Amino acid sequence: SQQGEEDPQALSIQEGENATMNCSYKTSINNLQWYRQNSGRGLVHLILIRSNEREKHSGRLRVTLDTSKKSSSLLITASRAADTASYFCATGDRGSTLGRLYFGRGTQLTVWP
Amino acid sequence: DTGVSQNPRHKITKRGQNVTFRCDPISEHNRLYWYRQTLGQGPEFLTYFQNEAQLEKSRLLSDRFSAERPKGSFSTLEIQRTEQGDSAMYLCASSPDFNEQYFGPGTRLTVT
Repeated sequence: SQQGEEDPQALSIQEGENATMNCSYKTSINNLQWYRQNSGRGLVHLILIRSNEREKHSGRLRVTLDTSKKSSSLLITASRAADTASYFCATGDRGSTLGRLYFGRGTQLTVWP
Repeated sequence: DTGVSQNPRHKITKRGQNVTFRCDPISEHNRLYWYRQTLGQGPEFLTYFQNEAQLEKSRLLSDRFSAERPKGSFSTLEIQRTEQGDSAMYLCASSPDFNEQYFGPGTRLTVT
């Protein structure tokens, strides 16, 4: 079964607007990662936030993590049409060195020019 | 480009046939993962190798599925006696540690 759940399932915005996606998970984690998947292709790693971090930035991406609520959010600022993709959060089990990831069902983001 | 590669990219097979997929990880990565993704879902973990040792298998990996990673380099995933429910995207990923994973483009399997 899948560990994380993204919300909303679909998001449609205009270029230049900000996009916020949320992720909730169930168990204790080592880290939480966000990946992007363009239609029918492999996943691209975007950002990793460790369980002892609360916020992380990378370019136009901002990720927050609240371990007490078992939730994370991904903010994409000044969105572009090229940001259109599915976004997945993925978690790894706390204490595990195996590295298997649990993915949610994803948020489908559409950015209109 | 020295990313993860997967072959074939697409495979159409008839129910009951056997299929084999190949994954070539990034050369210095000793960790290799297989995931399966169906339409509208996120990837689901199938199995994990560290070097040539298969260290973890999901319950999703039935007896019809087998994976190998001889010599700790490329990996193969074989599905015997394919069923329509096996239709999915099969994704391979590699990693140098237990942080971010680098995914290949996937093999899309269609069982008719």
